[in-house]
Amino acid sequence: GESVGLHLPTLSVQEGDNSIINCAYSNSASDYFIWYKQESGKGPQFIIDIRSNMDKRQGQRVTVLLNKTVKHLSLQIAATQPGDSAVYFCAEKENTPLVFGKGTRLSVIA
Amino acid sequence: EPEVTQTPSHQVTQMGQEVILRCVPISNHLYFYWYRQILGQKVEFLVSFYNNEISEKSEIFDDQFSVERPDGSNFTLKIRSTKLEDSAMYFCASGGTGSGKLFFGSGTQLSVL
Repeated sequence: GESVGLHLPTLSVQEGDNSIINCAYSNSASDYFIWYKQESGKGPQFIIDIRSNMDKRQGQRVTVLLNKTVKHLSLQIAATQPGDSAVYFCAEKENTPLVFGKGTRLSVIA
Repeated sequence: EPEVTQTPSHQVTQMGQEVILRCVPISNHLYFYWYRQILGQKVEFLVSFYNNEISEKSEIFDDQFSVERPDGSNFTLKIRSTKLEDSAMYFCASGGTGSGKLFFGSGTQLSVL
C-alpha cells in the first residue's frame, strides 16, 4: 500500500544554518504534497504545498523540492531559527484523506 | 486569525466509559476531520465529514466511534466505550476546500485508565 516516510527521524542544525528535511513517497499517482510542522503540545500546522506539475515552490524562508522520478520531496528551511524546532511531516493527498508520514524532529542548536 | 478550538484539552476516563470530544471548526469551512496521535507515533486519520455526512473513514474508526455536527458550529467525536488503546491526542481539523491544507486544533489528550 501507499506509504509516506522520512529518511531520518532526527536532525540537529546550528542556528542560522540551512535545514533540509527529506521525504520519500511510494504512490506514483500522488499529485499533491504538503509539509506540516508540529510544535510540542500543538496540532500540525500547514507550511507549504506543491502539486506534481511543479518541481519547486518557495515560501517565506522555506522551499519544497519535488523529484517525481525518484518519488522524493524535500523541505529546505533557510537561516534556521530556534522557533523552527519542531517535528516536520510530509503528507500526500491523491483523492484520499491527508496521510502523514512519521515525521522528522528538527532541533536547532543555539 | 481564525482558529480551530477543541475542548477539553485533557480528558481522563475509565475504560468502558463514553467520551465526547468537542471541536469548533473555522466558521466558513466545509470539510471537517478527526485525527489522532498516539504518543511518539505519527498522526493518523480517523474520519472526514462533509455535507453533513461521513465522506471517508479509516479502519481505526470502528463502530465505537461516531461523529456529529449538532449545530452550525460544533463538530464532535464520540467514543462509545473507551478502551485503553484509545488513549491518544485527538486532533480536529477543518478545511475550506477538499485540498490538503487543513487547520488543526491544539488537540484533546485522552487518557483511558
